[in-house]
Order: sequence, then structure tokens, then C-alpha cells
Amino acid sequence: DIQMTQSPSSLSASVGDRVTITCRASQSMSTYLTWYQKKPGQAPRLLIYAASHLQSGVPSRFNGSGSGTDFTLTITSLQPEDSATYHCQQSYNDPWTFGQGTKVEI
Amino acid sequence: QVQLVQSGGEVKKPGASVKVSCKASGYTLSSHGITWVRQAPGQGLEWIGWIHGYSGNTKYAQNLQGRVTVTRDTSTNTAYMELRSLRSDDTAVYYCARGGRAAAYDSARYYGMDVWGQGTTVTVSS
Repeated sequence: DIQMTQSPSSLSASVGDRVTITCRASQSMSTYLTWYQKKPGQAPRLLIYAASHLQSGVPSRFNGSGSGTDFTLTITSLQPEDSATYHCQQSYNDPWTFGQGTKVEI
Repeated sequence: QVQLVQSGGEVKKPGASVKVSCKASGYTLSSHGITWVRQAPGQGLEWIGWIHGYSGNTKYAQNLQGRVTVTRDTSTNTAYMELRSLRSDDTAVYYCARGGRAAAYDSARYYGMDVWGQGTTVTVSS
């Protein structure tokens, strides 16, 4: 199985800050990388697919980049509603696997 | 409005089975795949499996293979996930999610899961 490692596991930032979350895969996986936002008691929300493509309806302050083994989710100007846990997920190989999540507190 | 509505929470004893439903509205189930994911308390997300909305072909996580079956009924626009021989570590919130922009597995791989059910809490306890 491909192991996905996110860092940091949690962070605290202020409104307007630029935040970067990293996801590293245990093997190369092209750009089969998706980012989800999850809030307590809610279902995950698709933010970024294919490593860098913004899902329709998602604010442009969310940016994804990377390929191979190293991927990044950047929130360029943090908003109060961005308080959540962010998960990366690979779909290059079965089984699809998720990172452990990065909790963003504001 | 495109949405997935899941069945209500379940409490089961170890060794029992549970079947969670996921009813699609606003689109035709056969046009997309459905992925199942779970999240145990305090844990990350775990992929359970996937079903092709049109053909019914399936893929499963190896650690659950033999205990899980994912099906769909196109006449009622509903997908199902059945988990058997339940154990305490199967306690989790179970989600269904629509994959990709077409029914094919590769579409779900590339485009991710864009519409999610509200989640179904399954508690396994003696």
C-alpha cells in the first residue's frame, strides 16, 4: 500500500495568513492526488483533484501543487471558515489511501 | 440538486452484519461510480471499496475483502454497503461518495469524490 504522510499534523494560524500543508507519498504516484476538507460532524468536501485542479465552487485561495511523491496544499489567505482538518488521498494504486490529516485552527 | 442520502445509524453486536444504503437524487446512479469510505473515532479516513454505477463491477480494500460487499440497484438509484462478521474496530462513520465525472474507475481516480452522503454511524458493541 502507498503510505501518505502529512505534515504538520496540526497548526494554528490567523485570519489572512498563508498556510501550507505537505503530503508525501511512499512511492511515486504521478498526480493522482486529491485534497479534502473535513469539519466535525460533516462529510468531507472535495477541494483539489489531480494534484492541482480546483474543484468547481471551491474558493481560489485554495491551491494544490506537486507530482511524484511530494504534494502541497496552500491556503493563500486563511478565512475563519477554513478551520477544519485537511486530508490528502492517493488513487494511483489500490487500495486508495489517505493521509492522517492536518488540523487547521484559527 | 445532486445529493446522496444515507440510511440511519446502526448499533450491532460483534459477529452481526450491517447494510448501509445510499440513495442518489438529482442524477442517475449508473452514470457514476460510488466509493465507500469510513472514519473510526479519532482516526483518519479509510477507503472501503468502489462500485461501477453501470456495470456493477467492484473493487475492495484487501483488509476488508471477504467481509464487505458493495452493490447497487439502478431501479431505485441506491447503492449499498454490507459488512459482515462485525468487530469492535468496525465502529465508524461510513460514507458513500460519488466518484468522478463518469462511471469508469479511472474517472473516480482522477476527479476525486465530489458528492458525499451525510454519513452513517455504525456502532459495534456487545
